[in-house]
Amino acid sequence: KQEVTQIPAALSVPEGENLVLNCSFTDSAIYNLQWFRQDPGKGLTSLLLIQSSQREQTSGRLNASLDKSSGRSTLYIAASQPGDSATYLCAVNGDNFNKFYFGSGTKLNVKP
Amino acid sequence: GAGVSQSPSNKVTEKGKDVELRCDPISGHTALYWYRQRLGQGLEFLIYFQGNSAPDKSGLPSDRFSAERTGESVSTLTIQRTQQEDSAVYLCASSLGGSFTAFFGQGTRLTVV
Repeated sequence: KQEVTQIPAALSVPEGENLVLNCSFTDSAIYNLQWFRQDPGKGLTSLLLIQSSQREQTSGRLNASLDKSSGRSTLYIAASQPGDSATYLCAVNGDNFNKFYFGSGTKLNVKP
Repeated sequence: GAGVSQSPSNKVTEKGKDVELRCDPISGHTALYWYRQRLGQGLEFLIYFQGNSAPDKSGLPSDRFSAERTGESVSTLTIQRTQQEDSAVYLCASSLGGSFTAFFGQGTRLTVV
């Protein structure tokens, strides 16, 4: 069974810092990987989707990389802002697309 | 609609009662997922619908849980004889297919008292 791990579980940084969130998965036979953010009491917002054939995706201050063979992905956030404070979730899609396997998330706090 | 819509947003029910949760996916999205998130925990897969194919029900925790979806429209998740451990946020997501971005609704917060 696919297992997804996210490190660190929580992170607190001052505004303006660049930071990296890590995600690892045990089964490299994935179709794609998505990064989401979840704000308290709300649903998930998709940030970036990386297909298994891709190495990275960028959106604004966010850059996600994928190393499928080693079972790792990173989410890089440049010039962090207080509005970036949220829980960031990594999910991989396998098993004929039937389900996403989610990590437990990294709770990010960006201090003004 | 513009996004995935779930109703109700909050539901408080007495132990032993049945509840029905509703999900309106984005129009045209063939794939629909239900997940459960208990307080402080990660997302647990419940069920997946893809078009008119047989759903993947492998995540449903017990026979008290069932879900339906007609074609590519609304889905309902029904929990019979609710238990306190069913208290959680139930999230629905839809996508154009498994290889595409999944869009999540705001969730239904279920509290069983």
